[in-house]
Amino acid sequence: KAGVTQTPRYLIKTRGQQVTLSCSPISGHRSVSWYQQTPGQGLQFLFEYFSETQRNKGNFPGRFSGRQFSNSRSEMNVSTLELGDSALYLCASSLSRTGRETQYFGPGTRLLVL
Amino acid sequence: DAKTTQPPSMDCAEGRAANLPCNHSTISGNEYVYWYRQIHSQGPQYIIHGLKNNETNEMASLIITEDRKSSTLILPHATLRDTAVYYCIVRVHTNGANNLFFGTGTRLTVIP
Repeated sequence: KAGVTQTPRYLIKTRGQQVTLSCSPISGHRSVSWYQQTPGQGLQFLFEYFSETQRNKGNFPGRFSGRQFSNSRSEMNVSTLELGDSALYLCASSLSRTGRETQYFGPGTRLLVL
Repeated sequence: DAKTTQPPSMDCAEGRAANLPCNHSTISGNEYVYWYRQIHSQGPQYIIHGLKNNETNEMASLIITEDRKSSTLILPHATLRDTAVYYCIVRVHTNGANNLFFGTGTRLTVIP
């Protein structure tokens, strides 16, 4: 079974621009979570989507948003990019959200903001 | 917030067992211990998890103390490809608790 895939793998943007990242979960997985990883803050939870609805949200500004489609694929969007948004953005999927399922991570999208 | 404490770094000789400790002294009765690892610039990889019994799979063994305040991940025969940052996470198995809180982890270096 194919793993979690994320596109693009690398991205360079400039301050003020916006960016959209995509995540395709493992087939059959319905929950998708997003994380941001930076050298200073480590791995931090952004938000979780299930059945096309945001279920949990981390402590990030409103510039960070996301959505999930009926096929469970998810996108996250960052508007008005700042230098500090440079990070590895990781997507994780799990079967459901009972809390008992293991989350599996994708390879990440590395975003560089200049 | 992360509820675990791990040493920042460890070395292990190739072919030897790597024993990675984790302290989770405030763990609740319904919280599981999970281990993930992250090889440089890749996504975290699930390794193993357990509640109170020792667990073993094809990748590793997890030993949880009887009082559940600490645990040890054991890689029985470390290889160079096991060089990674290892994260110990406690997580409750309840509906909606899908967000993981990562600490700083242990950077394991396997030495030839």
